[in-house]
Amino acid sequence: NAGVMQNPRHLVRRRGQEARLRCSPMKGHSHVYWYRQLPEEGLKFMVYLQKENIIDESGMPKERFSAEFPKEGPSILRIQQVVRGDSAAYFCASSPTMGLAETQYFGPGTRLLVL
Amino acid sequence: SQQGEEDPQALSIQEGENATMNCSYKTSINNLQWYRQNSGRGLVHLILIRSNEREKHSGRLRVTLDTSKKSSSLLITASRAADTASYFCATLTSGNTGKLIFGQGTTLQVKP
Repeated sequence: NAGVMQNPRHLVRRRGQEARLRCSPMKGHSHVYWYRQLPEEGLKFMVYLQKENIIDESGMPKERFSAEFPKEGPSILRIQQVVRGDSAAYFCASSPTMGLAETQYFGPGTRLLVL
Repeated sequence: SQQGEEDPQALSIQEGENATMNCSYKTSINNLQWYRQNSGRGLVHLILIRSNEREKHSGRLRVTLDTSKKSSSLLITASRAADTASYFCATLTSGNTGKLIFGQGTTLQVKP
């Protein structure tokens, strides 16, 4: 059973370009979470999605950031018109259900560098 | 403000010694989890303790939870050089939609 997959692992963009980060949850998992980690800091929640639904986007910046988890295919975190401050590691996690004791399984992350 | 705060921020010990890391949080929780992150890598889930549990063991790991003090501790016994990593606590708060709130982490260095 493959773990959570993320790609690309490293992404370099120039200011103003778009970044697309992909996350394939573990088999059988229908809940996906995105987190951002700035250097030397802990992870900060961004968004929680189920198939075709955004459940909680309270951690998403209001502009330039969007996320989706379509019926088919991976979850996508999209950052438009990237700025240097978007440079961070972006982690995706998945869980089979959202329950009180559900463990979230994390992917290896995508490290975004904005030049 | 950040839910979890951990101390110490950094810890350096010799192989074979025990390492203790502490985590404090602010709001009511459903559970608290500890994760390990090796430098430049993803997070590995270590252990989960529910709000109605006080202590839990897994191999060389021992986690305690004191909900009255809103704090938890992670003890790694008989440490190994391979335990060198950053350790994060994360809380799932009551009534939450499933998002974890992470502390700033403790960086542990185990010297061989």
